[in-house]
Amino acid sequence: GPKVLQIPSHQIIDMGQMVTLNCDPVSNHLYFYWYKQILGQQMEFLVNFYNGKVMEKSKLFKDQFSVERPDGSYFTLKIQPTALEDSAVYFCASSLGGRDTGQLYFGEGSKLTVL
Amino acid sequence: GDSVTQTEGLVTLTEGLPVMLNCTYQSTYSPFLFWYVQHLNEAPKLLLKSFTDNKRPEHQGFHATLHKSSSSFHLQKSSAQLSDSALYYCALSDGDNNAPRFGAGTKLSVKP
Repeated sequence: GPKVLQIPSHQIIDMGQMVTLNCDPVSNHLYFYWYKQILGQQMEFLVNFYNGKVMEKSKLFKDQFSVERPDGSYFTLKIQPTALEDSAVYFCASSLGGRDTGQLYFGEGSKLTVL
Repeated sequence: GDSVTQTEGLVTLTEGLPVMLNCTYQSTYSPFLFWYVQHLNEAPKLLLKSFTDNKRPEHQGFHATLHKSSSSFHLQKSSAQLSDSALYYCALSDGDNNAPRFGAGTKLSVKP
């Protein structure tokens, strides 16, 4: 089936550093999402992105967070600077949109550890 | 705004017993409803989605019926298996390109 690829699968960085999480969505999908999941807790919506713009973001999407997809390459989540509470697994997802907006395909996640 | 409410927390069952995880929703539209399953250390995957023509979706022994009168889309299975232990999310989409709304998730633990 369709695959969403995430790179890296795991990253360890020091607090205050910048990190970029990369996502290669399903090729014909138009809508892209980031979700955050702290160990043992529920998955929480961060942001969704369409046509080069942020469509919606949650309160968890702090000013230190940014997303972009330059020229159809990776859909990225950048955190600058990182904080201890940013340690989590970040899931990227994509969907076709329209009637299939709710049908998301998720990547395997990028586990971020901030020391 | 649109929202989804699920059975809270942890549901523990003995293998072979029936499963029912509750999901109710609030929406100003006629939404599409979804169930996602997340096994330990894996990504969430689509389990079921509602149809517009009142068909009952089924997958891996699970089924769910969209009841517009009660705004519900409960997940059911006649006989739980150990491999069903996972986190289950109910989600709602307005089919109009807005981000789907996920419930808080229900953890199902099936014991021998």
